[in-house]
Amino acid sequence: SQKIEQNSEALNIQEGKTATLTCNYTNYSPAYLQWYRQDPGRGPVFLLLIRENEKEKRKERLKVTFDTTLKQSLFHITASQPADSATYLCAPLVEYGNKLVFGAGTILRVKS
Amino acid sequence: DAGITQSPRYKITETGRQVTLMCHQTWSHSYMFWYRQDLGHGLRLIYYSAAADITDKGEVSDGYVVSRSKTENFPLTLESATRSQTSVYFCASSEGGLADSYEQYFGPGTRLTVT
Repeated sequence: SQKIEQNSEALNIQEGKTATLTCNYTNYSPAYLQWYRQDPGRGPVFLLLIRENEKEKRKERLKVTFDTTLKQSLFHITASQPADSATYLCAPLVEYGNKLVFGAGTILRVKS
Repeated sequence: DAGITQSPRYKITETGRQVTLMCHQTWSHSYMFWYRQDLGHGLRLIYYSAAADITDKGEVSDGYVVSRSKTENFPLTLESATRSQTSVYFCASSEGGLADSYEQYFGPGTRLTVT
């Protein structure tokens, strides 16, 4: 079955540094992969989508890479701020019909 | 107000009771989804719908029933609630492939406790 792995431990970084979150998947080849942010007590919020034929995607301070050979996506936040503290979820497409499978998420804490 | 709403936001019920969680979206999105979120498991898909009157099971559909008679509504029913169904439930919607838009928009969630 499909398996999604994200850093199980929280990532603690200093304000201004770059945060890098990892998403590894096994047993399938998704056509695209999405990243979401979730704050405590709230629903996830879409951040970025990257397709299998795209190596990299950027949006403001966010950057996502997608390596279909390694079966891995990296999510970077540059010049991180305390407001970036949240849980970040990786979600590759399972099958057409917009079905996603979500990783358990990585907690990011940015300290000032 | 436009968007996706869920009701109730909090619900406590007893084992064996039937419970219905409501989800309403104002965008006329084709796709709608129900997820549950538990510590250590992340979001797991319960049911999804590609359009009105078209639904399909997800990863953890046992004990749940859905319907979608109108595009904007997608209620989730727990036929006979069990303690293992204590969770936070999220509804989401998405435009779909025709619009080449695949991001999902989530509601605020319903926290359900089964005693």
